[in-house]
Amino acid sequence: AQSVSQHNHHVILSEAASLELGCNYSYGGTVNLFWYVQYPGQHLQLLLKYFSGDPLVKGIKGFEAEFIKSKFSFNLRKPSVQWSDTAEYFCAVTGGFKTIFGAGTRLFVKA
Amino acid sequence: SQTIHQWPATLVQPVGSPLSLECTVEGTSNPNLYWYRQAAGRGLQLLFYSVGIGQISSEVPQNLSASRPQDRQFILSSKKLLLSDSGFYLCAWSVGTTTNEKLFFGSGTQLSVL
Repeated sequence: AQSVSQHNHHVILSEAASLELGCNYSYGGTVNLFWYVQYPGQHLQLLLKYFSGDPLVKGIKGFEAEFIKSKFSFNLRKPSVQWSDTAEYFCAVTGGFKTIFGAGTRLFVKA
Repeated sequence: SQTIHQWPATLVQPVGSPLSLECTVEGTSNPNLYWYRQAAGRGLQLLFYSVGIGQISSEVPQNLSASRPQDRQFILSSKKLLLSDSGFYLCAWSVGTTTNEKLFFGSGTQLSVL
């Protein structure tokens, strides 16, 4: 069965600090990997996705994620966070038509 | 453009009462449709998904059921609500013939069972 594990439930950073959110998944077949973000008061929206090719994918707002197949990981990174990055971040895995989400990481960026 | 409508936005129901949450998608045909429940600290739990009319896949055995009477309509139901059914319910859709490329989410329904 698919499963997704996010390492941190809450992260607090100061502006300009670097960010890395961990995500590990478990699935027996070919997967597509995603990071979604939910800003306060807004709908969930896609941040970036990996289907194939270059394992380092870039998304919106300066975010990137690296797929490491041997570690079953898809960690999200941003070199320098901004106050506006305060949000909840969800890692997700799709196998076929099923998309499974992790528990989410709440990021708070102090101005 | 495609839009997804989910209602009601909030709902307060007594234990043992029935439930019907509706979700409709506009601007696309044959979408894959999903019901998730979001709980603090637990992320989004996939409840049901459907890849076509009348086709329902259930992911978590529980007190809920889903139906897809029309191509772009997805309904979440219960005959008798439990306290544990309280939560934030999200409808989502995607397109794709072999896999999901991206999910689009509705605005959600906050259900409180008292």
